Amino acid sequence: QSALTQPASVSGSPGQSITISCTGTSSDIGTHNYVSWYQQYPGKAPKLIISEVSNRPSGLSNRFSGSKSGNTASLTISGLQAEDEADYYCSSYTSSTFYVFGTGTRVTVL
Amino acid sequence: QVQLQESGPGLVKPSGTLSLTCAVSGDSINSDSWWSWVRQPPGKGLEWIGEIYHDGRSNYNPSLKSRVAILVDKSKNQFSLKLTAVTAADSAVYYCARNGWYCVDEWGQGTLVIVSS
Repeated sequence: QSALTQPASVSGSPGQSITISCTGTSSDIGTHNYVSWYQQYPGKAPKLIISEVSNRPSGLSNRFSGSKSGNTASLTISGLQAEDEADYYCSSYTSSTFYVFGTGTRVTVL
Repeated sequence: QVQLQESGPGLVKPSGTLSLTCAVSGDSINSDSWWSWVRQPPGKGLEWIGEIYHDGRSNYNPSLKSRVAILVDKSKNQFSLKLTAVTAADSAVYYCARNGWYCVDEWGQGTLVIVSS
């Protein structure tokens, strides 16, 4: 099972919207609505920001939103802020009863 | 507020066994949650290792399944990871975590393990 494919980097100016893609297969994203997204600052543990494709944990900013189409999931950050500069990872449950993470995307705020 | 704390040796010799423990506070290991281990080699991405339920059921990443065991100790409210026959490629920050509904909703701070002679 290979890692899900994400772009290595995405950048945007403050206030803009950016979208990070996460491409898998019919054995993971394509079949299961169990895609989650994590934000990670350097030297820190990841933090859950999206579960079940589009659900935000209580208290999380609504600037983060998730979606899915076919074998590809997406995370959109709207109204980009300096504090959004971090690494982002997607993850999916698979038909082989385990989880696979994405390759990770570095978000840079210009 | 659940807290997870990893502990164990920070240095393991090649071909040896990596052993880590995760102490859980603020939640019961007997709750309706699965408990996971995830690792991250320096400068690289996340890799899910496996998970365990309080009744002993477990699931593992197929790429590691032959070398990994995750156990639960209900009396101490903790769970553990054992990875055998380690090589330099197993050097990583190891996180213990609590699963939410098909996701990881709480993470430990992580502990760095280096495999070197």
